[in-house]
Amino acid sequence: DTEVTQTPKHLVMGMTNKKSLKCEQHMGHRAMYWYKQKAKKPPELMFVYSYEKLSINESVPSRFSPECPNSSLLNLHLHALQPEDSALYLCASSQASKKGNQPQHFGDGTRLSIL
Amino acid sequence: AQTVTQSQPEMSVQEAETVTLSCTYDTSESDYYLFWYKQPPSRQMILVIRQEAYKQQNATENRFSVNFQKAAKSFSLKISDSQLGDAAMYFCAYYTSGTYKYIFGTGTRLKVLA
Repeated sequence: DTEVTQTPKHLVMGMTNKKSLKCEQHMGHRAMYWYKQKAKKPPELMFVYSYEKLSINESVPSRFSPECPNSSLLNLHLHALQPEDSALYLCASSQASKKGNQPQHFGDGTRLSIL
Repeated sequence: AQTVTQSQPEMSVQEAETVTLSCTYDTSESDYYLFWYKQPPSRQMILVIRQEAYKQQNATENRFSVNFQKAAKSFSLKISDSQLGDAAMYFCAYYTSGTYKYIFGTGTRLKVLA
């Protein structure tokens, strides 16, 4: 069972469109992550929220805009994306312990295609 | 900067046999954690096993065990009695305590042959 739910599962959009990816978890986790994963590559960290505040932005272009409206929800707003942004976008959550002994739980991802 | 290297892009194993996946890392930190994650074709990344750097004892989870060599900065995963369901991409990951950053290796695709 997936404890981290991502919607939509697939998204096709044009370069001028505005869309949003959604991630939800109800495990009480206070750290949430966005990753980008290209085919046959490892996930690349994009953003980290801890206690609903942005903790890490890995120099992601401003056409990606994260939002954490509450402790269960994480959004990724997309605008004016480029074809190279086509990828699998993974959301993850974990207990907000910086010690690292709390594993990440991943969602199934959103497969994004930019036309 | 920390780096994680998985030198085996692809491995194959016969069902019921044992296979070892390699992972090396580079760090100057003393407090860190290491993980193996599995990503089947259905895409969801699942934690397989984790190791705290301060623990000398190798972690074990059922058929999965690690060989953690801290001085050599090596963290290999051994899968015993391989099953068809073990076929997946396996990622080694490093985490520095005090941050929220996980650094993933390039992955090893494991094929299990019937």
